[in-house]
Amino acid sequence: GENVEQHPSTLSVQEGDSAVIKCTYSDSASNYFPWYKQELGKRPQLIIDIRSNVGEKKDQRIAVTLNKTAKHFSLHITETQPEDSAVYFCAASVGYRIQGAQKLVFGQGTRLTINP
Amino acid sequence: GAVVSQHPSRVICKSGTSVKIECRSLDFQATTMFWYRQFPKQSLMLMATSNEGSKATYEQGVEKDKFLINHASLTLSTLTVTSAHPEDSSFYICSASGGTSYNEQFFGPGTRLTVL
Repeated sequence: GENVEQHPSTLSVQEGDSAVIKCTYSDSASNYFPWYKQELGKRPQLIIDIRSNVGEKKDQRIAVTLNKTAKHFSLHITETQPEDSAVYFCAASVGYRIQGAQKLVFGQGTRLTINP
Repeated sequence: GAVVSQHPSRVICKSGTSVKIECRSLDFQATTMFWYRQFPKQSLMLMATSNEGSKATYEQGVEKDKFLINHASLTLSTLTVTSAHPEDSSFYICSASGGTSYNEQFFGPGTRLTVL
């Protein structure tokens, strides 16, 4: 089945610097790649997603890149701020659809800490 | 954006009892709902996928007789943990998908279950 590997598991950066989190997936049929931010005890919140027909997407300080050939995608956060501190999860859709929406397989998560 | 509620937010129960968790999509019709379990400092693990009016599809290793899922309407899915034991203590999160953004999953706030 689909496997998603996420690195690093923890990341600490100085405020104002950039942060990059990388994920690889195994199912070549995956076509939807969301990124979620989860604060302690809260629900995951979608921050950006990308579909397989594009290679890059940007939303203000957040960008995601996708390399379908290599089966990896990355999250880039620029000009980091203390409120960016959280756990970030990548996910990839399972290639087949049973009925309705596709399932997601999540990476292991990255704990991002922004140091003031 | 799409809003998903979950009730209760926290429950403490004795070993052997059953607990029902409700997941509702408040402003859209959810064709598909997903149930996840998240242990401390771990990723989200998909337990099952449910489509309105159909039986849930369980992930490998998840006991369908222990985790009963009902998706009776396009806005409500329930998860019942039967004969709960301490090892079932976890954070249970639902997500809902539907409407125009076909694959995007909107998460509920989660239910923290503690079994004594």
